[in-house]
Amino acid sequence: DIQMTQSPSPLSASVGDRVTITCRASQSISNYLNWYQQKPGKAPKLLIYAASSLQSGVPSRFSGSGSGTDFTLTISSLQPEDFASYYCQQSYSIPPTFGPGTKVDIK
Amino acid sequence: QVQLVESGGGVVQPRRSLRLSCAASGFTFSSSGIYWVRQAPGKGLEWVALISFDGSSKDYADSVKGRFTISRDNSKNTVSLQMNSLTPEDTAVYYCVRDGNFYDTSGYMHGAFDMWGQGTMVIVSS
Repeated sequence: DIQMTQSPSPLSASVGDRVTITCRASQSISNYLNWYQQKPGKAPKLLIYAASSLQSGVPSRFSGSGSGTDFTLTISSLQPEDFASYYCQQSYSIPPTFGPGTKVDIK
Repeated sequence: QVQLVESGGGVVQPRRSLRLSCAASGFTFSSSGIYWVRQAPGKGLEWVALISFDGSSKDYADSVKGRFTISRDNSKNTVSLQMNSLTPEDTAVYYCVRDGNFYDTSGYMHGAFDMWGQGTMVIVSS
């Protein structure tokens, strides 16, 4: 199985900050990498697919990059509604595996 | 309304069984692969099982293989997860998830979990 790791966790930030979350795969997954946001008590929500494509309806302050084994999710200017947990997930092979998550909380 | 709605969760004793259901609406269900993903309290996301759009292909996480069975009825737009021999380690919120097909800028197809149900809680405890 492909192992996914994320850093940092947790991440403390302020409204307006530029935030970057890193995800690393245990082997090359090309650009088969998705990002999800989860708020407490809610189901996850797809933000980014194929490493850098923004899901419909997701604000443009979210962006993704990377290929191979190293990926990043960037929030250009953190908003109050962005305080949540973020998970990466590889869709390169079965089983689909998730990173352990990065909780973004208020500094 | 485009949605997935899970049901069937609850409190069950160890070694007993439980059946979860997922009802889909508002999209072409028979064209979509469906997954079950679970989340133990305070923990991350774990894939449990998948079924292809037509039910011909199924797969399971090693942690549930031989105990859980996934099935679907495209005439009723439903997916089920039969869970047998439950253990406390199966305690989690179980999400029914659609595997959406997306294309990147090079034209390659990617899967991504683009629709999630609200989740149903399963607690395995004596």
